[in-house]
Amino acid sequence: AQTVTQSQPEMSVQEAETVTLSCTYDTSESDYYLFWYKQPPSRQMILVIRQEAYKQQNATENRFSVNFQKAAKSFSLKISDSQLGDAAMYFCASGGTNNNDMRFGAGTRLTVKP
Amino acid sequence: GAVVSQHPSRVICKSGTSVKIECRSLDFQATTMFWYRQFPKQSLMLMATSNEGSKATYEQGVEKDKFLINHASLTLSTLTVTSAHPEDSSFYICSAQTNYGYTFGSGTRLTVV
Repeated sequence: AQTVTQSQPEMSVQEAETVTLSCTYDTSESDYYLFWYKQPPSRQMILVIRQEAYKQQNATENRFSVNFQKAAKSFSLKISDSQLGDAAMYFCASGGTNNNDMRFGAGTRLTVKP
Repeated sequence: GAVVSQHPSRVICKSGTSVKIECRSLDFQATTMFWYRQFPKQSLMLMATSNEGSKATYEQGVEKDKFLINHASLTLSTLTVTSAHPEDSSFYICSAQTNYGYTFGSGTRLTVV
């Protein structure tokens, strides 16, 4: 079983500043992935970043990076140099590695102020 | 690579009719397809998992006789909403696991009037 918790329904950041979105999870899987997805108004699910649980090194993708604390089951997303185009819903998700389903958190709506 | 094509993107149907939503994996074989439903301002909720050549697995509270899932081939999974009612109006989206993670269809906005 997997559960994902996002405790921040809404977050706001000034353009060019840095913001961190929080996520905690629980899973019975021994090997799993963690994801952050962005969902703009079009509702297309866009993968922002992915972390394999067996890797200790935090994943980074340009302005996006994660702080993965496996023991604490925490997986936060840091967005640096925020841009207006970053405004969207952000979902944290956990998935298994063997065609197991992916479970989503409740989401965080990010607003970027010019 | 790893594209899932979902159709239709939008559909409006009358109450009591059925609607079929298709998800095709274009450049890979999807042995498993996940179907999610998303109500406005809410998260994606897993409805069911379809497996090629076998019966789908439904999440608790999802009516299997209402939401018929067929996964007859490695590249096509369908979700049929039978006897649709206004409360079935929602955004439906499919997803498949690939070597790179999960890939999503573009979603179907269903409105039942």
